[in-house]
Amino acid sequence: LAKTTQPISMDSYEGQEVNITCSHNNIATNDYITWYQQFPSQGPRFIIQGYKTKVTNEVASLFIPADRKSSTLSLPRVSLSDTAVYYCLVGDRSGNTPLVFGKGTRLSVIA
Amino acid sequence: DAMVIQNPRYQVTQFGKPVTLSCSQTLNHNVMYWYQQKSSQAPKLLFHYYDKDFNNEADTPDNFQSRRPNTSFCFLDIRSPGLGDAAMYLCATSRGPSLQETQYFGPGTRLLVL
Repeated sequence: LAKTTQPISMDSYEGQEVNITCSHNNIATNDYITWYQQFPSQGPRFIIQGYKTKVTNEVASLFIPADRKSSTLSLPRVSLSDTAVYYCLVGDRSGNTPLVFGKGTRLSVIA
Repeated sequence: DAMVIQNPRYQVTQFGKPVTLSCSQTLNHNVMYWYQQKSSQAPKLLFHYYDKDFNNEADTPDNFQSRRPNTSFCFLDIRSPGLGDAAMYLCATSRGPSLQETQYFGPGTRLLVL
């Protein structure tokens, strides 16, 4: 099971782009990378998922280098409402890999 | 709107008194999960059901049990709650069991043990 490592916390001002990097040195060939967002007193919410290169949706972008040993979640022009904990997860399609949340990154957006 | 519903949002129980937390879903998903999340920690998977098949995580205490009487409902039973079981309990669902299937989480039930 690929272990993930993220910064514990990050601060950003409103309107800035925020990049949160996750290390997963032991990622396996069949593993995908998924990011979830959790607001206080709420359940986590899916943000984005990718396998390689770049994925973009209406919320964020996910950059994955060729070696796939890390990934970067990019949040464009953050607002106060983006203050949350962001979790990076790695796992395969088999369903045999339990979904293990790492410690996550606590992002604080400051006005 | 299709969703994952957890009731109650807050539950208070006494030390050693059995308690049941409820989860229902309108997504018609095959998989339902229960997570425990303590303050400032990541959610920790306790167990999940894939249809009627129960999958217990190796380190989940025997004190925690689950029932899934039908597709829509899943229950978490804590047989003898201890002070250390005070936490947020999150229910989630997905179409299938793999990581590629998005998990949809409910709002959670915060359990307080007195």
